[in-house]
Amino acid sequence: NAGVMQNPRHLVRRRGQEARLRCSPMKGHSHVYWYRQLPEEGLKFMVYLQKENIIDESGMPKERFSAEFPKEGPSILRIQQVVRGDSAAYFCASSPPSSGGGNEQFFGPGTRLTVL
Amino acid sequence: GDSVTQMEGPVTLSEEAFLTINCTYTATGYPSLFWYVQYPGEGLQLLLKATKADDKGSNKGFEATYRKETTSFHLEKGSVQVSDSAVYFCALVNTGGFKTIFGAGTRLFVKA
Repeated sequence: NAGVMQNPRHLVRRRGQEARLRCSPMKGHSHVYWYRQLPEEGLKFMVYLQKENIIDESGMPKERFSAEFPKEGPSILRIQQVVRGDSAAYFCASSPPSSGGGNEQFFGPGTRLTVL
Repeated sequence: GDSVTQMEGPVTLSEEAFLTINCTYTATGYPSLFWYVQYPGEGLQLLLKATKADDKGSNKGFEATYRKETTSFHLEKGSVQVSDSAVYFCALVNTGGFKTIFGAGTRLFVKA
């Protein structure tokens, strides 16, 4: 059973460009979470999605950031008009549909975004 | 809100030394507690977990006990190896919740 897959692993963008980060959850998992890790810091929650629904986006910046998890295909985290402060590692995690309380999330290898 | 506090690093030890990384938490309800490890340039791997008070999680020689009375989940290993050099994150997920709340991480260096 393949783990959570993210691509690309490394992404370089110039200021003002768009960044698209992809996440394929583990087989059978329908819940996806995105986290951001700034250099030398812990991970911070950004958004929680189920198929075709955003459940909680309280950690997402109000502008330029969006996320989706369509019925078919991977979850996408999209950052428009990137700025240097967006440089970070972005991690995706997934969990099965009925995890119960205190669900364990399975993390992907991350996408390291560098904005020049 | 819920939070996790762990000891600041870096922690530098010689091979075969005893390791303790302190972690305390603040949470309403009854969270599940986790330790994750991140090797250089890689993602997070679950190291161990405990889902209720007095549970002990263990894996690869590491262990941690869920102490509700002191709201702690300290990570210990009796004899560290160079290959244990990594960043260790303490984390919690609250009952019925979905956000994993992470500590800031503790970097461990083990010297041969």
